[in-house]
Amino acid sequence: SQTIHQWPATLVQPVGSPLSLECTVEGTSNPNLYWYRQAAGRGLQLLFYSVGIGQISSEVPQNLSASRPQDRQFILSSKKLLLSDSGFYLCAWSVGGHQQYFGPGTRLTVT
Amino acid sequence: EDKVVQSPLSLVVHEGDTVTLNCSYEVTNFRSLLWYKQEKKAPTFLFMLTSSGIEKKSGRLSSILDKKELFSILNITATQTGDSAVYLCAVFTGAGSYQLTFGKGTKLSVIP
Repeated sequence: SQTIHQWPATLVQPVGSPLSLECTVEGTSNPNLYWYRQAAGRGLQLLFYSVGIGQISSEVPQNLSASRPQDRQFILSSKKLLLSDSGFYLCAWSVGGHQQYFGPGTRLTVT
Repeated sequence: EDKVVQSPLSLVVHEGDTVTLNCSYEVTNFRSLLWYKQEKKAPTFLFMLTSSGIEKKSGRLSSILDKKELFSILNITATQTGDSAVYLCAVFTGAGSYQLTFGKGTKLSVIP
């Protein structure tokens, strides 16, 4: 069966510090991978998606970036965090269909 | 721009009540509508609807889609405290970007 991992579960970082969040999927090959952010009082906002290694599409311009160095690994990064980057970050995967499966999420607080 | 609107934004009911959650959408190239339940962390999948008028059912939860009027409802009968969660509606357009467009969710609180 497929599983998706995200780490860390929670993170507190100062403004201006770098960020690296990691997501890995097990039990499937060639998944589509997604990064979402969920801010308080707002819906899930798609940040990036990837249909293959090295292929990244950005939906929202911001100071975040994503990379996919391996088939089942997706990384969200920032060189300098802003206060507005605080939120709940969710990684998701899908294969061939409309349904996306979500990881446990990372709660990021930028202070 | 694709839009998904859920109502109400929050709802408080007593155990045993029946609730109806609403989701309306305005999107180009509709392919499917999905319902998720989000407790404290990851949203978990409930239903995917692609055809009008066909009810999907799982235990006390059911959902139906109206593609003419562009909305869906999620019904929960005989609510339990474990149903307390945020219920998310999302629409898949499949227009090359693979993305789901989510509503803001309905926060359901079931009190004993």
